[in-house]
Amino acid sequence: DGGITQSPKYLFRKEGQNVTLSCEQNLNHDAMYWYRQDPGQGLRLIYYSQIVNDFQKGDIAEGYSVSREKKESFPLTVTSAQKNPTAFYLCASVTSGNYNEQFFGPGTRLTVL
Amino acid sequence: ELKVEQNPLFLSMQEGKNYTIYCNYSTTSDRLYWYRQDPGKSLESLFVLLSNGAVKQEGRLMASLDTKARLSTLHITAAVHDLSATYFCAVLPHQGGSEKLVFGKGTKLTVNP
Repeated sequence: DGGITQSPKYLFRKEGQNVTLSCEQNLNHDAMYWYRQDPGQGLRLIYYSQIVNDFQKGDIAEGYSVSREKKESFPLTVTSAQKNPTAFYLCASVTSGNYNEQFFGPGTRLTVL
Repeated sequence: ELKVEQNPLFLSMQEGKNYTIYCNYSTTSDRLYWYRQDPGKSLESLFVLLSNGAVKQEGRLMASLDTKARLSTLHITAAVHDLSATYFCAVLPHQGGSEKLVFGKGTKLTVNP
């Protein structure tokens, strides 16, 4: 089955720790995105990548880092520099062509202890 | 900078009633997306609207796009409890090469028996 997977589903982080969230897709999509969602809020773009080995900052990139070494994978690292990382993190990949429709993974809920 | 405004942000309605959610955006675009999010879950794609006058329907939901008015509507017909969720619209700016969706804050719909 084609789709987007994110792991882990729940993640707890101690202050000062870096953590990495996984996002994998087998849809053969070129573009992938990371969003953050806070309770009762919309989605805010952290980073996106339109092709392997290339990525761009979104609106709230500070305190986050990404890599795109493979087409299928776009991991997000939440660094200790991110002062308020507790949130729901969503990864998406995008169909090519005219639709440019974003499909979302199931999400990772990160909590700072 | 593109701004996307949804209203209302909260909507409580009775089963069997009709209602419309509005999505206004501030700059030129010809691609608009509607998503549904259940509590604690990811986003599910509902509709992709690609041109002025586009109308799409799925069950009790119908979405339309007026690019001249920069307005999309999501109409709910004869609401049922299963439609309770948060609905997001998202707009792709018509700025050559931009692939960054901008999301509204969402409309939380509660359908009461």
